[in-house]
Parts: sequence; structure tokens; C-alpha cells
Amino acid sequence: SQKIEQNSEALNIQEGKTATLTCNYTNYSPAYLQWYRQDPGRGPVFLLLIRENEKEKRKERLKVTFDTTLKQSLFHITASQPADSATYLCALLRDSWGKLQFGAGTQVVVTP
Amino acid sequence: DTGVSQNPRHKITKRGQNVTFRCDPISEHNRLYWYRQTLGQGPEFLTYFQNEAQLEKSRLLSDRFSAERPKGSFSTLEIQRTEQGDSAMYLCASSRPGTGDSITKNIQYFGAGTRLSVL
Repeated sequence: SQKIEQNSEALNIQEGKTATLTCNYTNYSPAYLQWYRQDPGRGPVFLLLIRENEKEKRKERLKVTFDTTLKQSLFHITASQPADSATYLCALLRDSWGKLQFGAGTQVVVTP
Repeated sequence: DTGVSQNPRHKITKRGQNVTFRCDPISEHNRLYWYRQTLGQGPEFLTYFQNEAQLEKSRLLSDRFSAERPKGSFSTLEIQRTEQGDSAMYLCASSRPGTGDSITKNIQYFGAGTRLSVL
């Protein structure tokens, strides 16, 4: 079965620096890989989607890469701000109906 | 676009009681998903619907769990004879219809969840 691994330790980073999060999976490469943000007590919020044939996707200060050879996606937050503090979840598309399998998430804490 | 609405936000119940949660998806969205999330973990898939048809139920969904989506609008998730292990955040998400390789149909919009505590 597909396993998804994200850094379990919180990432503490200083404001203005780049945060880099890792998502590794074990088996087949999904057609899509997504990143969501989740704040305490709230539902996840979609950030970015990258297809298996795309190497990189950007949205404002966010960048996602997808390496199907390494079975890995990297998520970057550049010029990080305290408002970026949250848990970031990696999700793999499991079927054509949109079923997602999520990683456990990585907490990011940005200090001023 | 009023967002996905879930009610109640919090539910405290005693072991053995039945509980029902409601999810109102975004109006034009035809797909609806239920997930369960425990502390420190990501959401785990429970079941999903395309319109009123239930497509799949996870093996996590024991016989005590049932979900419905009458008329393809709102959905309910019922847990019978609750157990302490059912304590979790129950999340609902919806996605809009899309065709072919459309990305938009794969983006899920989540509600704020219903937090269940079984005493």
C-alpha cells in the first residue's frame, strides 16, 4: 500500500528565510500531488497542485517540485512570514474520482 | 461561494450513543468527501459521493458508520453505538465537476469539521 512520509518534527524558521518541506511516497507516482495548509481547529485549505509530468509549480511565494524518480515532492515558502505558521499537508490523488491520501503534515513555525 | 458548512462544530457524547453530523457542500459541487482526522495525523478518507451515489467506503468505516447524500445535496454521517476510539475531527470536503484532465475537479474545499468527543 502507498505510504506518505512528511517530516514529523516541526520546522522552526526565522522570518524572511525559506522553509522547505519534504513529501516522500513509496509506491506508484500519482497523476496529481497536492499541498494543503491547515490551521488549528480548521479544515485544510488547498494551496497548489502539480501533475506528474510537471517538474515545478509556483504561486506567489510558494513553489512545489515533483520528482517521480525520487518519489518526492518539495514545498518551498520563500520570504516566510509569521502568518505562514501552520501545518502543511501533502496529498496524493488515489483515483479518478478525486480520493486523496494525506501525509501526517509538517508544522511550520515562523518567528519574527 | 459560501463555503462548505459542517454542523455541529463540536459534539460531546457518551459511549454507546448515536451521533449524526451534517455537511452542506458548495452549491454547484457534485462530489462530496468525508474524512476523519486524529491529533498529529493527516485526514483519512472515509467515503465519498458523486451526486447521490456513494462511490466507495473505506475499511475504516465499520458497520456502525453510515453516510447518505439524499438528492445529491447535503450529506449526513451517522455513527451508531459510539466508542471512545471514534473521538476525532470529522471533515467534509466537496469538489466541482470537471471534464477530462481538468484540474479544478481535483481541488477539494474543506469545511471546518465536527470535533467529536466520546466520553
